[in-house]
Amino acid sequence: GAGVSQSPSNKVTEKGKDVELRCDPISGHTALYWYRQSLGQGLEFLIYFQGNSAPDKSGLPSDRFSAERTGGSVSTLTIQRTQQEDSAVYLCASSLETRATNTIYFGEGSWLTVV
Amino acid sequence: DQQVKQNSPSLSVQEGRISILNCDYTNSMFDYFLWYKKYPAEGPTFLISISSIKDKNEDGRFTVFLNKSAKHLSLHIVPSQPGDSAVYFCAPDFNYGGSQGNLIFGKGTKLSVKP
Repeated sequence: GAGVSQSPSNKVTEKGKDVELRCDPISGHTALYWYRQSLGQGLEFLIYFQGNSAPDKSGLPSDRFSAERTGGSVSTLTIQRTQQEDSAVYLCASSLETRATNTIYFGEGSWLTVV
Repeated sequence: DQQVKQNSPSLSVQEGRISILNCDYTNSMFDYFLWYKKYPAEGPTFLISISSIKDKNEDGRFTVFLNKSAKHLSLHIVPSQPGDSAVYFCAPDFNYGGSQGNLIFGKGTKLSVKP
């Protein structure tokens, strides 16, 4: 498709289980971002990939969170030993390397509920 | 410290009236400013932007004003419509060639336009 695609769109998991969230960015976009929005909160930055550079992981809330981007395209966000506070919508976005005049484009998010 | 602040978490406006959403930033190096709009269960979408060489940018019912000396920008919507009800995020950025790093968003302002 033409936009950023995320899967699954909804995920309910039990506390303590691991989850993987997938993002397919727009073709040709070298920058990829992960954010999350918890209930009633703003957009919280998690991690940023730009081309072959080392990712900016400064937003990851704990070592239970990790992300990778294979081949400069698809990205997977992994949450290990999920906790209830991990419940949120996880948003992926992508952009061209120079984004100011091009903006970034978001997917519709993966809604994670930890029970 | 937050680099971008949207101090009003919510705003309620009557249909047809003006909505004014505010955003303050701390880093004087920001020179490009974006507004995103987010409906429930959808990803944020780009709304309007402004470069620091301007103090106003207008697009239909939406106008963004920039006051660089005060490090303040505002989004005006006039006339407001019920379909404008959404969360609005401010995102200051750097407009230079090459990798710009992560994009930080404010916590958002939830606008409710009442018929």
